[in-house]
Amino acid sequence: DAGITQSPRHKVTETGTPVTLRCHQTENHRYMYWYRQDPGHGLRLIHYSYGVKDTDKGEVSDGYSVSRSKTEDFLLTLESATSSQTSVYFCAISESGGRGGRETQYFGPGTRLLVL
Amino acid sequence: QQQVKQSPQSLIVQKGGISIINCAYENTAFDYFPWYQQFPGKGPALLIAIRPDVSEKKEGRFTISFNKSAKQFSLHIMDSQPGDSATYFCAASEAGGTSYGKLTFGQGTILTVHP
Repeated sequence: DAGITQSPRHKVTETGTPVTLRCHQTENHRYMYWYRQDPGHGLRLIHYSYGVKDTDKGEVSDGYSVSRSKTEDFLLTLESATSSQTSVYFCAISESGGRGGRETQYFGPGTRLLVL
Repeated sequence: QQQVKQSPQSLIVQKGGISIINCAYENTAFDYFPWYQQFPGKGPALLIAIRPDVSEKKEGRFTISFNKSAKQFSLHIMDSQPGDSATYFCAASEAGGTSYGKLTFGQGTILTVHP
């Protein structure tokens, strides 16, 4: 999985609790993304980062926040988990962020989150 | 708002047959169209991609056909094999600028190839 690890790989939590998912890369890629995958919706972008401390919202960012203090780590926080946030979360990285014709994103193995 | 629509949701093909998955997009600023393959329990992986300056791209048994005027593109898997059984996602993005390579995905197609 292109030097990308996600932790935890599985998590069960209760409604209302905060949850933080971690994405760690060893590729030194500048661009990092968080997606959620749900049946019938494909993958939807939550937040992305275009550099250390540079982040922006994706299409489904409500209820989520992110932080990136180091190139290699991108954290996704569910501020107060809800059942609608039960999903599989994928982190992805990109070297060029769409420039230079090299838009390939490499995905991590995913985190399966269940909110009860 | 789903900017990339993918069909069918599921597809069953016999070994040796042709699998065809279709996608349509709305945003005319999209200029990069990748297909991702995902096996159970794994993250998606890039399979093949195309830019709108060509109408077709072939890599082994996998071919993308692209129709810019219709805003449609499709994946053809020739001589489908049981090992091709996976979920396939089409996607689109705007290269460069402030898009930062953000991908918009279709809903996914679960392909099953029977031996």
